[in-house]
Amino acid sequence: SYVVTQPPSVSVAPGQTARITCGGYNIAAKYVHWYQQKTGQAPVLVLYDDSDRPSGIPERFYGSNSANTATLTISRVEAGDEADYFCQVWESNTDDPHVIFGGGTKLTVL
Amino acid sequence: QLQLQESGPGLVRPSETLSLTCTVSRASVSENKHYWAWIRQPPGKGLEWIGSTHHSGTAHYNPSLKTRVSISVDTSKNSFSLRLTSATATDTAVYYCARFTRGFDSWAQGTLVTVSS
Repeated sequence: SYVVTQPPSVSVAPGQTARITCGGYNIAAKYVHWYQQKTGQAPVLVLYDDSDRPSGIPERFYGSNSANTATLTISRVEAGDEADYFCQVWESNTDDPHVIFGGGTKLTVL
Repeated sequence: QLQLQESGPGLVRPSETLSLTCTVSRASVSENKHYWAWIRQPPGKGLEWIGSTHHSGTAHYNPSLKTRVSISVDTSKNSFSLRLTSATATDTAVYYCARFTRGFDSWAQGTLVTVSS
């Protein structure tokens, strides 16, 4: 079955750029969605369809998807960006189409 | 703005059925472009998709849960519901209902369900 892999943790200093990856075989053929989850809160969609931002999400959040890796990039990182980030795809190449979440990446702002 | 609110028991006995309802406000479950979903998160762990349904009756389930789960839409109550049979301690989690359009774009606050005797 299809698997997506995220690094467990990423650390970055304020003002720097954070890159969170989501790896999967030929993931570029799929749309990747990204969620931010702060402690004790429900997840929030921050990017959909690889790189589109819902209203209210800062332009500092942007995404790319190529070959076997999708990437969520957060520029000019702020303390308020500290959270868990999850990628998500739809696996349709099966008799049982289903949603897959990555294991999540904890972003720490140093 | 869309609001989603889960309701149901916070404690379920092992082997019994876990049942939750998500009431939708300021939007209609009958809108064609949306699916309605349940997602759960065990304490300290990641997100696990349970399943999604459309008001037309189309539903998709997590292959690892599909023998125990059903999700249905009630257009008269503008809500959708989750049933998970034969509950065990591993089903203990925060359960979220959510709307899927392009990504899960709206989530409820989540409700903790504990499976314990």
